[in-house]
Amino acid sequence: AQSVTQPDARVTVSEGASLQLRCKYSYSGTPYLFWYVQYPRQGLQLLLKYYSGDPVVQGVNGFEAEFSKSNSSFHLRKASVHWSDSAVYFCVLRDTNAYKVIFGKGTHLHVLP
Amino acid sequence: EAAVTQSPRNKVAVTGGKVTLSCNQTNNHNNMYWYRQDTGHGLRLIHYSYGAGSTEKGDIPDGYKASRPSQENFSLILELATPSQTSVYFCASGDAPYFGAGTRLSVL
Repeated sequence: AQSVTQPDARVTVSEGASLQLRCKYSYSGTPYLFWYVQYPRQGLQLLLKYYSGDPVVQGVNGFEAEFSKSNSSFHLRKASVHWSDSAVYFCVLRDTNAYKVIFGKGTHLHVLP
Repeated sequence: EAAVTQSPRNKVAVTGGKVTLSCNQTNNHNNMYWYRQDTGHGLRLIHYSYGAGSTEKGDIPDGYKASRPSQENFSLILELATPSQTSVYFCASGDAPYFGAGTRLSVL
């Protein structure tokens, strides 16, 4: 069955530190993968997407993610976080043959100033 | 830039009443989605659509109907609202879905 797992419900880092948010997926084949960010009382905003090709994809605001088929992972990274990055981050999978979109439970990032 | 507009932004309804949540997109996307977001459950898919005239059941369709009368519009209908349907509802469109700002629904 298709699924997305974000093993860390909450992550706390200090401003200026590097960041990795983990995402594991279950899918037979290569899915379409996304990372979204949600700020309080707002909708979800697309950070980056992976369809195929280079496994490292660049997104907005200095975020990048690396796709690994062997590890079934799509981890999100940022070299130096800012307090304004505090938000909830969702890893998302879309079936390449259908329109169904599956969300992870989200990781709440708290950046200490 | 892609735009998805939801209305109303906030709604208070009574138990047993009918509620219609509206979504409009100007992106000419074929696929549209309705989700609800609840603490502890994340986002759950209620209904989705491939295009005008189509609606498909998502993971939690019970108690909800959907209508896609045109490419631009996708509505979510609660015929008999219940307190368990109190939630934040998001509409989205596209292959890398663009989300609306959400509708906060309270059913009393």
